Amino acid sequence: QVQLVESGGGVVQPGRSLRLSCAASGFTFSSYAMHWVRQAPGKGLEWVAVISYDGSSKYYADSVEGRFTISRDSSKNTLHLQMNSLRREDTAVYHCARVPLGGLMGPMDVWGQGTTVTVSS
Amino acid sequence: DIQMTQSPSTLSASVGDRVTITCRASHSISSWLAWYQQKPGKAPKLLIYKASNLESGVPSRFSGSGSGTEFTLTISSLQPDDFATYYCQQYNSNSPTFGQGTKVEIK
Repeated sequence: QVQLVESGGGVVQPGRSLRLSCAASGFTFSSYAMHWVRQAPGKGLEWVAVISYDGSSKYYADSVEGRFTISRDSSKNTLHLQMNSLRREDTAVYHCARVPLGGLMGPMDVWGQGTTVTVSS
Repeated sequence: DIQMTQSPSTLSASVGDRVTITCRASHSISSWLAWYQQKPGKAPKLLIYKASNLESGVPSRFSGSGSGTEFTLTISSLQPDDFATYYCQQYNSNSPTFGQGTKVEIK
């Protein structure tokens, strides 16, 4: 079935880096734009970044611009989020999510369960 | 960025009640709005897209309406499985934004 599974979360010190991955299965990954969305403990949803189906277009939230990089490896059906210069306020559950065919910005119809990132000294 | 404001933040209701949640955008977003349901510890689930289109598999008691800057999500008869937090999301711009959420609690 259609599935997204995140990995790579953990506890990291402020200023350090972490790379998240999202493994896709059950659909043609290379045909879909993909997003990262995060949720801080007890808070609402915050959009982080998006990448087009072919990787040619990328957009970021102001809060992560210049520190985070979204990428994809369609040969491995995997989405990545490289997070550098991490701050305490980046502590959150990070979800990857799919946008239906033909869209870059759109409703997110498939979500992963999330991976937890904790930035703490 | 387009700001999305939901009301109320918390809603207490009983099984069988008709429930309405409002979402307002700081700028017109046409009909580029989605609604999600989220339960504790779970990923969000898409309910409605393009303001009023029901996602496949979502019960028909859920409906959405609105355009421009004002939108509503209605649950016609609240069921036990519907107690959750609901979020609106605009996708009119290259910087999608979510509302702050509305928690539907048992009265």
